[in-house]
Amino acid sequence: NAGVTQTPKFRILKIGQSMTLQCTQDMNHNYMYWYRQDPGMGLKLIYYSVGAGITDKGEVPNGYNVSRSTTEDFPLRLELAAPSQTSVYFCASSYPYPDGKSTDTQYFGPGTRLTVL
Amino acid sequence: AQTVTQSQPEMSVQEAETVTLSCTYDTSESDYYLFWYKQPPSRQMILVIRQEAYKQQNATENRFSVNFQKAAKSFSLKISDSQLGDAAMYFCAYRNGGATNKLIFGTGTLLAVQP
Repeated sequence: NAGVTQTPKFRILKIGQSMTLQCTQDMNHNYMYWYRQDPGMGLKLIYYSVGAGITDKGEVPNGYNVSRSTTEDFPLRLELAAPSQTSVYFCASSYPYPDGKSTDTQYFGPGTRLTVL
Repeated sequence: AQTVTQSQPEMSVQEAETVTLSCTYDTSESDYYLFWYKQPPSRQMILVIRQEAYKQQNATENRFSVNFQKAAKSFSLKISDSQLGDAAMYFCAYRNGGATNKLIFGTGTLLAVQP
């Protein structure tokens, strides 16, 4: 298993440009998440998904969009990039217990470092 | 809303010694989980240890153990026999026990290990 993979590792954008951060997991996890980590801070949830076709906003969703057409992939779209979106972005996934209750531990990808100039 | 507070921005420990990282949280929920994650310079988030709130027994994983004080809403991490590879940023995290698994992170403690 590769686990959670993210591409690209690094990216520099100009203000107003758009891009998609890719995230793929091969663990057949239902739940997937996008976080951002600003310098010296903890991670903040941007969007999450509990399964294909279902997404919901997290704590800081403005300026981002997501889609979940398959169990494996959960891309994050940045429209009209702004300097405030300079951050490290982490994708994570987890799997619910068979009884449908709380999900188990989250597995994180290696992150994407994005700079908007 | 739930919050997680880590009051130690930086800590230092001598190799082979023991260090304790502090974490407090605030919640009105009774069913929740607590975690410590390690983030080395590679940036990847690595789960160190997890604690279920309904369990009174403190979780232990090899050299890592927690002191979970539910009434005080405290969740500290003890690292015994510290190794150079333990040097990293450590994040405390909380999530509710409901079906939607949203982690809430503290601001982190940067641990340096001196040889």
